[in-house]
Parts: sequence; C-alpha cells; structure tokens
Amino acid sequence: DTGVSQDPRHKITKRGQNVTFRCDPISEHNRLYWYRQTLGQGPEFLTYFQNEAQLEKSRLLSDRFSAERPKGSFSTLEIQRTEQGDSAMYLCASSLFGVGLPGLEQYFGPGTRLTVT
Amino acid sequence: AQKITQTQPGMFVQEKEAVTLDCTYDTSDQSYGLFWYKQPSSGEMIFLIYQGSYDEQNATEGRYSLNFQKARKSANLVISASQLGDSAMYFCAMREGYGGATNKLIFGTGTLLAVQP
Repeated sequence: DTGVSQDPRHKITKRGQNVTFRCDPISEHNRLYWYRQTLGQGPEFLTYFQNEAQLEKSRLLSDRFSAERPKGSFSTLEIQRTEQGDSAMYLCASSLFGVGLPGLEQYFGPGTRLTVT
Repeated sequence: AQKITQTQPGMFVQEKEAVTLDCTYDTSDQSYGLFWYKQPSSGEMIFLIYQGSYDEQNATEGRYSLNFQKARKSANLVISASQLGDSAMYFCAMREGYGGATNKLIFGTGTLLAVQP
C-alpha cells in the first residue's frame, strides 16, 4: 500500500505523560501536514512541512507540541505533559508541490486517536 | 477570515437517489480552492472532488459533482445514484491561494449522510 500511514492508530495515555506519533507520507510527496480533529468537528490545521522545513504553525500548536520531519520523509508529532483536552484524532496528510504542481490534493492517513485519561 | 459553513448536520437519502450536501464559504481572496472529503467510520479522510475559484466548469468525478455558484459563495456536493457505501461524514474544505504559501485547509463541521436501502 502506498498511501499515507500513521502509527499508532490508537493511543491511551495518562494525563501528564508524553506521547509521540509518526506519519509516513506518500513517498514522492514533499509536503506534509498535521491536523487535529475533535468529536463533532472538522479537522483543524496544526502545522506543515515542505521537505524538512516547518513552514507554518497554527496558534493551536502550544509549546507542549512539537513536530519534526528530519530527513524530509516521515514526520513525528510529540505532545508533552498531555492534558485531557488533547484527546482527539490526529491526522496527517501529504501532497506534491512544485512547478506546475500546486499540491491541490492532500491525501490523508487513517489518523491516530489519542485518549488522555 | 476564512470560514466554511455546512448547515446540515445529518441527511437521509434512499439508495439510488441523488442527494445534495450544502456548503457555503467566506473568503476575501480572489484565488482559492474548494474540496470535498468523505470520512467513513474508520476515520480516514478520502478526497472526492476539487473546484478552483477560476474554473468555469463545475467539477465532476464519477458520481460526484460540485455545484459551484461563485456569486453565492456556495459549493454544494451532489452525489448521484446513492449507494449504501456512501454512508459517511462529508466535509467541505477551502484553501486560499493557488498552491502557494498558503496551504492549510479550513474545514466545515461536516454532514453525516445515511443511505437507506
């Protein structure tokens, strides 16, 4: 399967613990996005990378959140000192951007569902 | 500020009939893109159809068509010949700009479609 993959699919953690999620984009895609989706809402943008550079971060991304894409391939999203309000689905998406390729379509992974108890 | 409004929390449709899911948007940009995604209970966001603000023809992809009315700022999704597998949450989304610096998608709150046999 050559789609976007995310690991783990589900994570249950206790408040105050750190968690890390991984996203593997479609292999030739240079742009990678993170979104968060809470129950009954649409996804909300968190941050995105072009290759290894993090180009934009939402105000939703507090200092407890950090994202990396060290080699321009997979990305990790870490949440430190988790809070109950962090419980959500974390979605990763990727697209191909370049000359003549405006990256119109973002392809999403299956998401990681985080539950903070 | 950009905003997507989906006023139908839930819709029912009989199998084999057509259904229209409403979406209105607000933006001050002249260049933007509109998307529809399907989210089944498994959680993955599946890209359905895209309409650029400068596209003169309404977009179509198989059984999906986008009824784009620029003056009314509406981008309704029409699903023809509904199938049981179409039962899912449907999200309308917008991206300002044309694949340039602004890439994040702004999503509506979604419409839950139930196809009845």
